[in-house]
Amino acid sequence: ELKVEQNPLFLSMQEGKNYTIYCNYSTTSDRLYWYRQDPGKSLESLFVLLSNGAVKQEGRLMASLDTKARLSTLHITAAVHDLSATYFCAVETNNDMRFGAGTRLTVKP
Amino acid sequence: NAGVTQTPKFQVLKTGQSMTLQCAQDMNHNSMYWYRQDPGMGLRLIYYSASEGTTDKGEVPNGYNVSRLNKREFSLRLESAAPSQTSVYFCASIDTSGVRFGPGTRLTVT
Repeated sequence: ELKVEQNPLFLSMQEGKNYTIYCNYSTTSDRLYWYRQDPGKSLESLFVLLSNGAVKQEGRLMASLDTKARLSTLHITAAVHDLSATYFCAVETNNDMRFGAGTRLTVKP
Repeated sequence: NAGVTQTPKFQVLKTGQSMTLQCAQDMNHNSMYWYRQDPGMGLRLIYYSASEGTTDKGEVPNGYNVSRLNKREFSLRLESAAPSQTSVYFCASIDTSGVRFGPGTRLTVT
């Protein structure tokens, strides 16, 4: 069965710093997704990664995928307060999409 | 283009009551999903439908049934609600063009 593990689960960082969130999964995947969720809100799609070596960037966030290691990373560059949210990775295999537990990110001034 | 819509937004049920959560998408997506999210946790897959007329169980299907009425609509039914089903329920639809989530239904079972 597909298992998705994220770490860390909680991340407190200062503005201007860099950090990486990790997402490991247990079986081969068709697609890997990163989402953002603000408190009390629905999920917003950030990135979809399809193939080994894929890298996507949007603003201060960059996601990458290593299918051989079954690992994806979400790198945060020069964090700002507006990035405070919970970030989820999700892995889709044969139309079955499973989520990691989420990383609750707090960016402090 | 409304994306993914869910009704109702909020619902309170008594133990043993039944109800159906509705989900519809207007993006012509093939795959649709129902998840539940408990406080402070990730999303757990209840059921999914890869295409019209097909449904499959996810991680936590017990106590739920689903219907993929047509390509647009995917409903989730609780036949006899239990307090353990208190949660926020999200519907999602996916195609190669992208993923969209509905706004969620906050369900409380007393």
